[in-house]
Amino acid sequence: LAKTTQPISMDSYEGQEVNITCSHNNIATNDYITWYQQFPSQGPRFIIQGYKTKVTNEVASLFIPADRKSSTLSLPRVSLSDTAVYYCLVGDMRTGRRALTFGSGTRLQVQP
Amino acid sequence: GAVVSQHPSWVICKSGTSVKIECRSLDFQATTMFWYRQFPKQSLMLMATSNEGSKATYEQGVEKDKFLINHASLTLSTLTVTSAHPEDSSFYICSAIVGGDNNEKLFFGSGTQLSVL
Repeated sequence: LAKTTQPISMDSYEGQEVNITCSHNNIATNDYITWYQQFPSQGPRFIIQGYKTKVTNEVASLFIPADRKSSTLSLPRVSLSDTAVYYCLVGDMRTGRRALTFGSGTRLQVQP
Repeated sequence: GAVVSQHPSWVICKSGTSVKIECRSLDFQATTMFWYRQFPKQSLMLMATSNEGSKATYEQGVEKDKFLINHASLTLSTLTVTSAHPEDSSFYICSAIVGGDNNEKLFFGSGTQLSVL
């Protein structure tokens, strides 16, 4: 299975940019990288997905270097409501269960 | 956007009883749905893959007779925790894949907190 490694936790302050990096050395050619956000007692929520280079949407950016062995989720100007656990998933959902496998995630704590 | 609806949000039951959790795809058809379990402060663990019209595929270590999965239609999958015991208390979450053509994404239900007394 494609194993992902993320920092267990991160702390930030409101208004700062937060970058969370995920390592995935075993990424395969057809694998995509997807990030999810989870609040307590809720199901994970899709944030962003990418294959290579940079992807940006209204809430985040995803940076993927050329070798694709890691990815960085960037949250601009975080607020208290961004306190959550963030997971990166790597895989090809069409073919394998590894795209469904969650790692330990990163617990982000945003303080005033 | 795609919505996965899960019901109930929480349930409390006595030990030995069975509990059914429903997962519905509201605006799309899902031939495949997935069931996860999550203990406090831990990550999600995939339990099984629910396949419409056929048997579910269970992950290693998940008891088939304990966690009955039925996927009778393209929009509904159910998970029944049979003869529940306190150790089955957990947060159960369903999900479905939405999209195609290299644009597949997992969408999740809101989860069901099961407490077995």
